[in-house]
Order: sequence, then C-alpha cells, then structure tokens
Amino acid sequence: AQRVTQPEKLLSVFKGAPVELKCNYSYSGSPELFWYVQYSRQRLQLLLRHISRESIKGFTADLNKGETSFHLKKPFAQEEDSAMYYCALSGGVKFYFGSGTKLNVKP
Amino acid sequence: GAVVSQHPSWVICKSGTSVKIECRSLDFQATTMFWYRQFPKQSLMLMATSNEGSKATYEQGVEKDKFLINHASLTLSTLTVTSAHPEDSSFYICSARVLVWGGELFFGEGSRLTVL
Repeated sequence: AQRVTQPEKLLSVFKGAPVELKCNYSYSGSPELFWYVQYSRQRLQLLLRHISRESIKGFTADLNKGETSFHLKKPFAQEEDSAMYYCALSGGVKFYFGSGTKLNVKP
Repeated sequence: GAVVSQHPSWVICKSGTSVKIECRSLDFQATTMFWYRQFPKQSLMLMATSNEGSKATYEQGVEKDKFLINHASLTLSTLTVTSAHPEDSSFYICSARVLVWGGELFFGEGSRLTVL
C-alpha cells in the first residue's frame, strides 16, 4: 500500500538558515512525487515535482529511490516561506498526501 | 493554471440534515475529480474519485451512502453529506488533475462544514 510520511509536524528556523523538510514514501511501483504548499488562507498549490527537477522559489527536492525519500530543501529560508508543506505521491491517477509540515521562518 | 472553484466556502447545518458541496472546473473539463477531507492539523484524506458519467470510486472506510458524489457533467462534481452529524464537521476539498498541463493536481478553496 502507498504511504507518505512527513515526520516533522513543525519546523522553526531563523531567516537565512537552511531548511530541510523530510518526506519518505512507500510504494510498490514507480511513483511520481510532488511537494504542495499552502500559504495562510490560500488553497493548496503545487510547489514542485520530481519529474521536472527544477527549483521553485529556491526550493529543490531530489528523489532518492534507494532511501525512498523526497526531502525538500532550501539553502536560505525567507519569512515568506512560512506555510504548510505537503509531500504527495501519485502512482497513477490518485494522489496521496503526507500529514504535512508547518514551516515557521522567524525574523 | 486550471481553476477549481468550490461552493459554499463554509456551511453550518443542524444534525440530521443534508448538505451539498459543489466543485466546478472553470476553465477546463475534468473527467475525474477527487474529494478530500482534512481534519484539523492533519493530512488530506482521499475520500473518493469522482468520475464523470459513472459511479464514484470510494476509498476504504468511506461510507458511500453517507457521502454521495455525483459527477453529472465535465465541469461539475457534487458531494452531498447525508444526515450530517457533528463528527462529519470537517474541511472538504475537491481537486482535479489536468493531464495536458503536466498532470498536477489543482485544488478548490475548500468548504468548511460545521454540524451543530
């Protein structure tokens, strides 16, 4: 069965510090991995996906199939990065989400 | 990107009544939509996959008679919470996947249901 695990409910860092939000998954096939972000009072939106291998708003995420991880990283956090971050997996049509990590970037 | 709109954004109802939540794709046609439920400070739980012109596919543990899903057109899916009870109070979110736009999931703004 598919499973997405985000071990940290809350991550607090100071502005300018590096950030890493952890995501591990279990899936029997070859999934697509995504990171979604939800800013305060806004809807969920896509941040990035492993297929595109791009950097969005300074964030990157590398799919590590050996460790079944898809950690989200940013070298220098900004206050505007404060939000809820959800790791998601899709093995076909459906999407399954992790429990989310709230990132709080302090000034 | 694709725009998904939900209505109402919040609703309060009495226990025992039924509530309908609409989900519309505004600038694209969605043959498949998904309904999620989000508990406070918890993840999004996939409830069901709504298929245009056919029956919805429910996830394990979700009562299909409790949560009626209808996808009568390519732009509208509805979720009806029947005989609502306080434990049904939650945030319900619909979404659609647009394959021609990279396959990402686009979300509605969500509907907050409070059952008194």
